[in-house]
Amino acid sequence: AQKVTQAQTEISVVEKEDVTLDCVYETRDTTYYLFWYKQPPSGELVFLIRRNSFDEQNEISGRYSWNFQKSTSSFNFTITASQVVDSAVYFCALILNRDDKIIFGKGTRLHILP
Amino acid sequence: KAGVTQTPRYLIKTRGQQVTLSCSPISGHRSVSWYQQTPGQGLQFLFEYFSETQRNKGNFPGRFSGRQFSNSRSEMNVSTLELGDSALYLCASSLVQGRYTEAFFGQGTRLTVV
Repeated sequence: AQKVTQAQTEISVVEKEDVTLDCVYETRDTTYYLFWYKQPPSGELVFLIRRNSFDEQNEISGRYSWNFQKSTSSFNFTITASQVVDSAVYFCALILNRDDKIIFGKGTRLHILP
Repeated sequence: KAGVTQTPRYLIKTRGQQVTLSCSPISGHRSVSWYQQTPGQGLQFLFEYFSETQRNKGNFPGRFSGRQFSNSRSEMNVSTLELGDSALYLCASSLVQGRYTEAFFGQGTRLTVV
């Protein structure tokens, strides 16, 4: 069965610290897509990144970076020099190519303290 | 361009009643998907519509149904409401199926069943 685990339920860091959100996924499929979404207090999910299973290249976008490692089935997300505006719930998600049903992790609530 | 609009934003219903939620996607987007978010179960995929056809369905009972109109607007209906249906219902739209592209989310409809 497919599963996404975000072991960190809640994290609090002081502004300007770096923080890494962990995501571990389970699937036997070879073709799949991984996502990260941010859910601010307003409720809507904001797309951050999509990665397919054949692209293990790490990505950096401003203060955000993602580390995809198929060997450990992990797709971790790092925020560098965190800011208060980064406070939100972050979701990691998995879509299998064969059935298109998105599976979300339980989310990590991130508090950035001023 | 206008984002995804969900109406109403808040709703209170009584057990046994039925409810209809509406989602207007971003102009030009043909795929609309629905999600239920609860504290216990997290974010779960309900169904996806593309060009007025249901393309995918999550593991929810038949009380949950939906449809998509020719203008891509979508509605979801929950009949015979139960207390456990209290949740934030999120809708997302995308140009094509979500695994291929970014999905844009609305702010959700918060349904409370009493």
